[in-house]
Amino acid sequence: EVQLLESGGDLVQPGGSLRLSCAASRFTISNYAMNWVRQAPGKGLEWVSTLTSGANTYYADSVKGRFTVSRDTSKNTLYLQMNSLRAEDTAVYYCAKISNSGWYEDYWGQGTLVTVSS
Amino acid sequence: EIVMTQSPATLSVSPGERATLSCRASQSVSGTLAWYQQKPGQPPRLLIYGASTRATGIPARFSGSGSGTEFTLTISSLQSEDFAVYYCQQYTNWPRTFGQGTKVEIK
Repeated sequence: EVQLLESGGDLVQPGGSLRLSCAASRFTISNYAMNWVRQAPGKGLEWVSTLTSGANTYYADSVKGRFTVSRDTSKNTLYLQMNSLRAEDTAVYYCAKISNSGWYEDYWGQGTLVTVSS
Repeated sequence: EIVMTQSPATLSVSPGERATLSCRASQSVSGTLAWYQQKPGQPPRLLIYGASTRATGIPARFSGSGSGTEFTLTISSLQSEDFAVYYCQQYTNWPRTFGQGTKVEIK
């Protein structure tokens, strides 16, 4: 069974930085597109970023220029580098594997909480 | 950006009854539409992709229909474990966008 385990969430001050990790098991992340999706407290789902198998990247306008998605194939781990954090970035961040049969998320991690507050 | 609008925001249903959830896209997404179920404290779970194909392990009481801009998720006979929030998502264009969710609650 595919497993995704996020880590790195923390309390950080506005303007600060944080790097999230998503360790994948039982599949090779470089063979699939991967997403980051976030959910602010009590709110709905918001797509954040995609890293394709071909290493193309896509970002929501709300994070473009501040967030960077990457992967380490030797560790089979996906990352989200978050800079210039704002209060509105406060959310649970999920990583998700994209299916090979369509650009939908077929497996999700449990999420990691990022809180941006002074 | 394609805006996804779900209705109703909350649906009160008795166990064993049928639930019908709607999702409308601001422009055509063809059949590139997925439905997810989310329970409190849990990540979303894929139910339906391609507008009408059930994901692995999803019970047959869940069905999806529609194409273009109008989509429906139907739960034929609600079980206790089906009370949750349901989201639709289009994956035809960037940015990927979700509906705001429909909460299915016990009547």
